[in-house]
Amino acid sequence: DAGITQSPRHKVTETGTPVTLRCHQTENHRYMYWYRQDPGHGLRLIHYSYGVKDTDKGEVSDGYSVSRSKTEDFLLTLESATSSQTSVYFCAISESSQRNTEAFFGQGTRLTVV
Amino acid sequence: KQEVTQIPAALSVPEGENLVLNCSFTDSAIYNLQWFRQDPGKGLTSLLLIQSSQREQTSGRLNASLDKSSGRSTLYIAASQPGDSATYLCAVLSAGGNEKLTFGTGTRLTIIP
Repeated sequence: DAGITQSPRHKVTETGTPVTLRCHQTENHRYMYWYRQDPGHGLRLIHYSYGVKDTDKGEVSDGYSVSRSKTEDFLLTLESATSSQTSVYFCAISESSQRNTEAFFGQGTRLTVV
Repeated sequence: KQEVTQIPAALSVPEGENLVLNCSFTDSAIYNLQWFRQDPGKGLTSLLLIQSSQREQTSGRLNASLDKSSGRSTLYIAASQPGDSATYLCAVLSAGGNEKLTFGTGTRLTIIP
């Protein structure tokens, strides 16, 4: 799994609570990504990072924030969880821009908002 | 807006057969196309990456082709095995945008022993 660890792997939380998902990599890759996977939609990019403290929005960024204070860690925060954020969340990494290199994915975090 | 389509959504074939999975995309201005496999409850495993300047890539029993002008890619699996059963996803990286991969919804492949 290219040295990517997501935590937690499963979480159930209540509507309105903040939730933080963690992605940790041991590959020293520059780029890190957060995706969500939903039936009928495929994977969609939430946010990504191209270096420490450098982040950008993806396709479905509303309601999410990210932080990257160290190369190895990329945190995804749901500021106030809603039922529409029930999903499987995947972290991915790439050594450089995806224009040149492939992306490697973690095992996913299944989040249920009740 | 880039859209990626994979048809069929599900496919069952007997073990040993050669098979082709299809991927089409609407905007031919891409940097590359990537094929992944996903096992149930697992993450994605990268299979092949084809740059826009390439026509095909091979890895073992897998061969992926890219026809950028027509917006099509195929993944050819030779001599299929039960272990090939998984969902196969294709994703394109569009030129001129950010790092956003656009994914298809996948083809669920079942190899019948």
